[in-house]
Amino acid sequence: GNSVTQMEGPVTLSEEAFLTINCTYTATGYPSLFWYVQYPGEGLQLLLKATKADDKGSNKGFEATYRKETTSFHLEKGSVQVSDSAVYFCALSEHAGNMLTFGGGTRLMVKP
Amino acid sequence: EAQVTQNPRYLITVTGKKLTVTCSQNMNHEYMSWYRQDPGLGLRQIYYSMNVEVTDKGDVPEGYKVSRKEKRNFPLILESPSPNQTSLYFCASSLSGTVIPGELFFGEGSRLTVL
Repeated sequence: GNSVTQMEGPVTLSEEAFLTINCTYTATGYPSLFWYVQYPGEGLQLLLKATKADDKGSNKGFEATYRKETTSFHLEKGSVQVSDSAVYFCALSEHAGNMLTFGGGTRLMVKP
Repeated sequence: EAQVTQNPRYLITVTGKKLTVTCSQNMNHEYMSWYRQDPGLGLRQIYYSMNVEVTDKGDVPEGYKVSRKEKRNFPLILESPSPNQTSLYFCASSLSGTVIPGELFFGEGSRLTVL
């Protein structure tokens, strides 16, 4: 079956530091890949997505590139802010039907 | 405002007492789904619905029921709740479930505790 593995958190960074959150996946076909973000007390929001190999998704300064050869979709941001503190989920969807398989989530804490 | 609304947001109940968590969306979305979120496990899909009167099991359907009688509503029913159903539940919707997946819109979550 499909699975998504993320680095465990929490990840604690100082403001303006560089962020990488690793995500690797296992799928039988060619999935679409997503990063969702969950701010405290809220539901998940789509942050970015990529639907085929070598696509780069980007939003709000975050980027992730769909790497088929390494089955990875690492999330990066050049300079994090305190307001980026949240839980980040990597996810994939392979089948028609919007069925998402989520990773375990990575909590990011950014200190001033 | 486009939104997915869940109720109740918080609930403490006892084993065996039937409960329903309601979910309503105002975006005319065809696709709706329920997830549960548990520490270290991410989100796992319980049930989903591609359209009215069409529902199917996700990864963890045991102990849950759903119905989709109207496009906007997708209630989650726990007929006989047990402590292992203590979790944070999210309802989500999307325009269509039949093409490359688009954005899922999530509700704010319902935290359920079963004693």
